[in-house]
Amino acid sequence: DAGITQSPRHKVTETGTPVTLRCHQTENHRYMYWYRQDPGHGLRLIHYSYGVKDTDKGEVSDGYSVSRSKTEDFLLTLESATSSQTSVYFCAISGHGQGDYGYTFGSGTRLTVV
Amino acid sequence: EDQVTQSPEALRLQEGESSSLNCSYTVSGLRGLFWYRQDPGKGPEFLFTLYSAGEEKEKERLKATLTKKESFLHITAPKPEDSATYLCAVPPYNTDKLIFGTGTRLQVFP
Repeated sequence: DAGITQSPRHKVTETGTPVTLRCHQTENHRYMYWYRQDPGHGLRLIHYSYGVKDTDKGEVSDGYSVSRSKTEDFLLTLESATSSQTSVYFCAISGHGQGDYGYTFGSGTRLTVV
Repeated sequence: EDQVTQSPEALRLQEGESSSLNCSYTVSGLRGLFWYRQDPGKGPEFLFTLYSAGEEKEKERLKATLTKKESFLHITAPKPEDSATYLCAVPPYNTDKLIFGTGTRLQVFP
C-alpha cells in the first residue's frame, strides 16, 4: 500500500532462529502497530509504538520484541522462532492514536517456522 | 473485558441478494467503531468510522449503521467484486489501539 511497506513479504525459517520483520512508512505518522492474523483469532495486537523509542505491549507480546529508532521504521523481532509464531504479520500506521481516521495497513509478511 | 464479535463467520450470496453483517461489541465509553474490508493476500482496507448510536454511513453498495450494542454492515444488491472478508474494530477505553473481530467472509456468486 502507498506509504507503508513491509519486508520481507514471505519468509521460511527454522525453529530457534531469530527473525526480524521490517515496517517502513513514508507518511510521518506517529503511531505504528504490529498485528498477527490467524484463522479463528482474527487480528491480534503484538506491540505498538506511539513515537520514537516509545513502545508498548499488545495482547500477544510474549516471544516478540520491537524497536523504533526512527519515525519511519518499526521492527518486530522474534528472538527464537517457534512453530506457534507461524502466521501472517501486518503492520499498520495511524496519524491519530485512537484511530479516528482509520489505520493504513501494509500488505503483510507471511512467516512460516519449520 | 472489551470484546468484538462478528456474525456470521461466512456468508454466501447470489448476486443481487441483499443481506447484513453484524458486529456486536462490549467496550467502556465507545469512541468509534471501524469497518474494514480485506481481500485475500492483502492488508485490511479502511471503510467507515461510526461514532454515535444512530449514525449511518454509505459507500457504493455498503451502508454501516450503529446502535449502542452493535453495528450492521448492510450490502444492497451485491456484486461478485464485493466478495471479501469484512472486519470491525473498536478502541478500548483510553488506549491508542484497536481490537478486531474475527471477521465475516462474504462470497457473492454471479
